[in-house]
Amino acid sequence: GQNIDQPTEMTATEGAIVQINCTYQTSGFNGLFWYQQHAGEAPTFLSYNVLDGLEEKGRFSSFLSRSKGYSYLLLKELQMKDSASYLCAVRDTGGFKTIFGAGTRLFVKA
Amino acid sequence: EAQVTQNPRYLITVTGKKLTVTCSQNMNHEYMSWYRQDPGLGLRQIYYSMNVEVTDKGDVPEGYKVSRKEKRNFPLILESPSPNQTSLYFCASRPASRGPTGELFFGEGSRLTVL
Repeated sequence: GQNIDQPTEMTATEGAIVQINCTYQTSGFNGLFWYQQHAGEAPTFLSYNVLDGLEEKGRFSSFLSRSKGYSYLLLKELQMKDSASYLCAVRDTGGFKTIFGAGTRLFVKA
Repeated sequence: EAQVTQNPRYLITVTGKKLTVTCSQNMNHEYMSWYRQDPGLGLRQIYYSMNVEVTDKGDVPEGYKVSRKEKRNFPLILESPSPNQTSLYFCASRPASRGPTGELFFGEGSRLTVL
């Protein structure tokens, strides 16, 4: 079966660092994506990992371990505008389907 | 401006009244897809299209139809809407030239309520 798990909600303080975890069990794997979705808006692309390791992009980093079926998104120097849902998604082997987790709602407090 | 455009953005309708949600992209993307988003369930894929006249079912296709007569357009058709199709719908596209690694570009969403 296909399953992607991530925490439902997280709260963090402005200026701090937060790590959002994602575990997946899918029948195929062709990369893992992270998207950001502000309330009432469309998801927007943050990062893509297909090989094990860390990908860094400004304040955002994403890590992947394929053997463990595990990824995390690391947000540094949190800002109020980072309050949003973060969606973990896996692309299947054929590349035609992308399976999404339910998303993690992050609240950044002052 | 590169974008995916959906219409209508908001719609309230009644059970059984056929409706179409349009999706158009101006990025010359080969791949297009429809998702529905429900609380606690995340985005679930309804249908996708790899190119003109090539469509296939996603994970939740029941009650929906699609067509891809032109590269830029990918309408979602609800022949006989039911209340369980009340949801937030997103259209997305990506270029096939980047293979399976390309990210999805999403439209702004269409909130549909079926009474």
